[in-house]
Amino acid sequence: GENVEQHPSTLSVQEGDSAVIKCTYSDSASNYFPWYKQELGKRPQLIIDIRSNVGEKKDQRIAVTLNKTAKHFSLHITETQPEDSAVYFCAAVVLYGGSQGNLIFGKGTKLSVKP
Amino acid sequence: GAGVSQSPSNKVTEKGKDVELRCDPISGHTALYWYRQSLGQGLEFLIYFQGNSAPDKSGLPSDRFSAERTGGSVSTLTIQRTQQEDSAVYLCASSLVGTARYEQYFGPGTRLTVT
Repeated sequence: GENVEQHPSTLSVQEGDSAVIKCTYSDSASNYFPWYKQELGKRPQLIIDIRSNVGEKKDQRIAVTLNKTAKHFSLHITETQPEDSAVYFCAAVVLYGGSQGNLIFGKGTKLSVKP
Repeated sequence: GAGVSQSPSNKVTEKGKDVELRCDPISGHTALYWYRQSLGQGLEFLIYFQGNSAPDKSGLPSDRFSAERTGGSVSTLTIQRTQQEDSAVYLCASSLVGTARYEQYFGPGTRLTVT
């Protein structure tokens, strides 16, 4: 089955700097890669996702890149702000019919943005 | 509309007792997922339902864990003869199948403490 590795486990940056979180996956059939953000004491929420037919996707200050050959994908946050502080989880899945499948999550990265 | 709800929000039980955790998915969401999140850890997949059937039970840690879903809606996760290592936050999520966007919507979780 799928296995997702996520690095680093903790990341501390100064406000305004960029943050990069990297994930690798094992199942070459995986075709959907979301990122979830979990603030302290709250539930995880989807912030961005990418499907295997594209290499990069951007949404304002966040972007995700995918390298299918190397089986890794990354989350990039630019101009970090204190409210970006949270735990970020990557995930991978083989989606059937575009929307059926079970996400396998990485162990998470705790991002701290210092003002 | 209403989001995913879970009950109880907190449960303290004695070692050896059985517990039932309940999840109410978003109305119309046919896919439902259970995860376990231990303190400071990632999201550990337990089981996935499509309708009332469970295509993937691979994450259930032992035969003390079981889950069912009836009427394609509410799901219950049952842990028999609880152990201290079962202490964790149990998260439920649901998703809508058959759309272009695949997003799991999480509930607030049930914090289980086994004493």
